[in-house]
Amino acid sequence: AQKITQTQPGMFVQEKEAVTLDCTYDTSDPSYGLFWYKQPSSGEMIFLIYQGSYDQQNATEGRYSLNFQKARKSANLVISASQLGDSAMYFCAMREGPLAFGNEKLTFGTGTRLTIIP
Amino acid sequence: KAGVTQTPRYLIKTRGQQVTLSCSPISGHRSVSWYQQTPGQGLQFLFEYFSETQRNKGNFPGRFSGRQFSNSRSEMNVSTLELGDSALYLCASSLARKGKEINTEAFFGQGTRLTVV
Repeated sequence: AQKITQTQPGMFVQEKEAVTLDCTYDTSDPSYGLFWYKQPSSGEMIFLIYQGSYDQQNATEGRYSLNFQKARKSANLVISASQLGDSAMYFCAMREGPLAFGNEKLTFGTGTRLTIIP
Repeated sequence: KAGVTQTPRYLIKTRGQQVTLSCSPISGHRSVSWYQQTPGQGLQFLFEYFSETQRNKGNFPGRFSGRQFSNSRSEMNVSTLELGDSALYLCASSLARKGKEINTEAFFGQGTRLTVV
């Protein structure tokens, strides 16, 4: 089974609209972290937001928020008021196991290509 | 504060050759991870180094190896290059503070785009 599933290969969104990028995950470990990264055409992976499995509240970072539904094992990224510069690939990733045990490995989904239309 | 630096940015090699890629992590970061990104396989974890020791390894053949130096800089080596090794190789660094459950997000470099011809 895929550990991280992103079902939207591509999305087109009008500028200034909100957009939700879907991510579901699969793990049996009670301790895990979920990440979203943005990858522009330059190739660099830019960290956007993090949600820990024990976090009670949904994470927010500026225009980015993470809609964390633990029972459904989903961690959707919401971008409010989209901008032209948001056009990029977006990856959901998971780190399993407590960080205290030195587990740094990230498992990535296949990504969603977001295009913002002026 | 300088970000993660990867060199070179672009590389063209011939089948059978070997290649070494370099990654300088953010100052103070002790963990360095390497990932391979291809259109077909997506982003795949290669290995992770912490304090000069390999802690985790992905499912790649032994032709892929790495090391980490005392200043946390890391190198990745691929021997006997194959056409399928053409990819974007990304390096990520993180604080990796042990003994405490905290988020240490991984910061990525711009990658090295390797083309094998």
